[in-house]
Amino acid sequence: EAGVAQSPRYKIIEKRQSVAFWCNPISGHATLYWYQQILGQGPKLLIQFQNNGVVDDSQLPKDRFSAERLKGVDSTLKIQPAKLEDSAVYLCASSSPTTYTGELFFGEGSRLTVL
Amino acid sequence: AQSVTQLDSQVPVFEEAPVELRCNYSSSVSVYLFWYVQYPNQGLQLLLKYLSGSTLVESINGFEAEFNKSQTSFHLRKPSVHISDTAEYFCAVSRNTGNQFYFGTGTSLTVIP
Repeated sequence: EAGVAQSPRYKIIEKRQSVAFWCNPISGHATLYWYQQILGQGPKLLIQFQNNGVVDDSQLPKDRFSAERLKGVDSTLKIQPAKLEDSAVYLCASSSPTTYTGELFFGEGSRLTVL
Repeated sequence: AQSVTQLDSQVPVFEEAPVELRCNYSSSVSVYLFWYVQYPNQGLQLLLKYLSGSTLVESINGFEAEFNKSQTSFHLRKPSVHISDTAEYFCAVSRNTGNQFYFGTGTSLTVIP
């Protein structure tokens, strides 16, 4: 079974530039999460999708961050314009509510450095 | 709302010594509890979980955690650590509806030869 795929693994940009991250969850997983993990901190939920609908985006900085999951499968997280404090690892995770075992499956993350 | 507190940010321990990583949570509803591990340059992996039933849960690599409802704790223990256990450990909680995971700030375990 293929795991959660994320790309790119690393990205370096200057502040005020834009960046996009892509995530493909495990096949059949209806729930998809984007987390932000700043160095030395735990993952913070940015947005949660159930199929192509948003369940929770209360901690997403909507003035600069956007995310979509148009067909209920893969997802894109965009930051525009980036700030220095956006330097972090962006983690994508998925789970299957129909066969819920309490586990989130994570990708390897996309590390963003904003200069 | 739920929250998770990991009291120790860094734990150095000698190889073959025992270790305990502490986790406390707060919640007004029933929760599921998890420990995730993150090895260097890798994604988070589930180490063990408590959903219901026996309050003592074990992982395949010798870790165990005990759900203590009265103390709202879910501490992680291992009687004898190995070099390969060096990693970041995150405690997490979710409501038993399955949504909204909350993670602690993590504990960096370093096993010293």
